[in-house]
Amino acid sequence: KAGVTQTPRYLIKTRGQQVTLSCSPISGHRSVSWYQQTPGQGLQFLFEYFSETQRNKGNFPGRFSGRQFSNSRSEMNVSTLELGDSALYLCASRPGQINSPLHFGNGTRLTVT
Amino acid sequence: DQQVKQNSPSLSVQEGRISILNCDYTNSMFDYFLWYKKYPAEGPTFLISISSIKDKNEDGRFTVFLNKSAKHLSLHIVPSQPGDSAVYFCAASAKTSYDKVIFGPGTSLSVIP
Repeated sequence: KAGVTQTPRYLIKTRGQQVTLSCSPISGHRSVSWYQQTPGQGLQFLFEYFSETQRNKGNFPGRFSGRQFSNSRSEMNVSTLELGDSALYLCASRPGQINSPLHFGNGTRLTVT
Repeated sequence: DQQVKQNSPSLSVQEGRISILNCDYTNSMFDYFLWYKKYPAEGPTFLISISSIKDKNEDGRFTVFLNKSAKHLSLHIVPSQPGDSAVYFCAASAKTSYDKVIFGPGTSLSVIP
């Protein structure tokens, strides 16, 4: 079974621009979560989608948004990029049952200059 | 406010000895805890979990202990191997919002041959 695929792996953007990151979950997994990883902060929860509905959201500004499609693929968008948005963005999928472990992709490294 | 804390950013252990990684949490609603391991340039991978109805769970060289009254859990690795060198993340979720998994900042483990 193919793992979680995130594209692109690396991205360089300029302050003020917007960016869209993509995530393809493991086949059969209906839940997709997004995390931001920065040094010293660990993984900060952004949001979680299940069957195209956002079920939960972390404490991030409205510039961070996401969506999920009917095939469970997900995208996250960051508008008006700031230097502090530079981070590793990780996507994780799971079947959806309570307490099933998250399966992570290798992430998208975003650098904002 | 960080709900899951890992107060040791790094830990060095000799090969063959025991590695003990600690984690504290503040949210008394958490009832499911997980440990993930992360190598550079890869996403985190699930290692072991424990439900709040247990105080110990073992899987091969890995054992997780949970002390609910102290809101503390620990991961024991015995014996430690050089391939265990990675960043270890403690994570937790609550039954009322199991779709939101909260991670700690991580502990970097180095196992010295």
